[in-house]
Amino acid sequence: AQSVSQHNHHVILSEAASLELGCNYSYGGTVNLFWYVQYPGQHLQLLLKYFSGDPLVKGIKGFEAEFIKSKFSFNLRKPSVQWSDTAEYFCAVTLSGGYQKVTFGIGTKLQVIP
Amino acid sequence: EAGVTQFPSHSVIEKGQTVTLRCDPISGHDNLYWYRRVMGKEIKFLLHFVKESKQDESGMPNNRFLAERTGGTYSTLKVQPAELEDSGVYFCASSQDIGDPDTGELFFGEGSRLTVL
Repeated sequence: AQSVSQHNHHVILSEAASLELGCNYSYGGTVNLFWYVQYPGQHLQLLLKYFSGDPLVKGIKGFEAEFIKSKFSFNLRKPSVQWSDTAEYFCAVTLSGGYQKVTFGIGTKLQVIP
Repeated sequence: EAGVTQFPSHSVIEKGQTVTLRCDPISGHDNLYWYRRVMGKEIKFLLHFVKESKQDESGMPNNRFLAERTGGTYSTLKVQPAELEDSGVYFCASSQDIGDPDTGELFFGEGSRLTVL
């Protein structure tokens, strides 16, 4: 069964620091990868996604993620975080093709200190 | 365009009682998913509807949980009888086509928090 591992459960950074959140998945087939974010008091929303093509994908609010197939990884990065990035971040994976379920990681809580 | 709506936002019941959660997906989305998050744990898949059919219900914990999606529109998730370990936040999400690079995205509701005492 596919699974998603997020190694950093709680990250605290100062504003302007760089961010990298790790995500590894366990399925060896063709997958589609996602990062979702949940800001305080809001619903989960898509940050970025990878289906195919350029393994470096850019999302909203300056976030990007790199798909490294050989490492089964899809790490999320941002060069300079802001206080407004304080949120919980979830990596997710689905098998390619339609009608597939999406499997989520445990989530990483990011706290950005002004 | 209305998003995914869930009701109730919070429900507190006693062990042994019944609770029914409702989800209204985005209009036109054939795919509807139920997830549950217990505090500190991952967002765990429960089941997936395509229109009114259950595509995958492998995540349903046991037969105390019953999900329906009559007519392929809104869905309900009933827990009967509720146990303490059923407490958590139940998320509903809908998607047009999760496998489509252009539209592949889950749209989430705000969740229904269930507390079983």
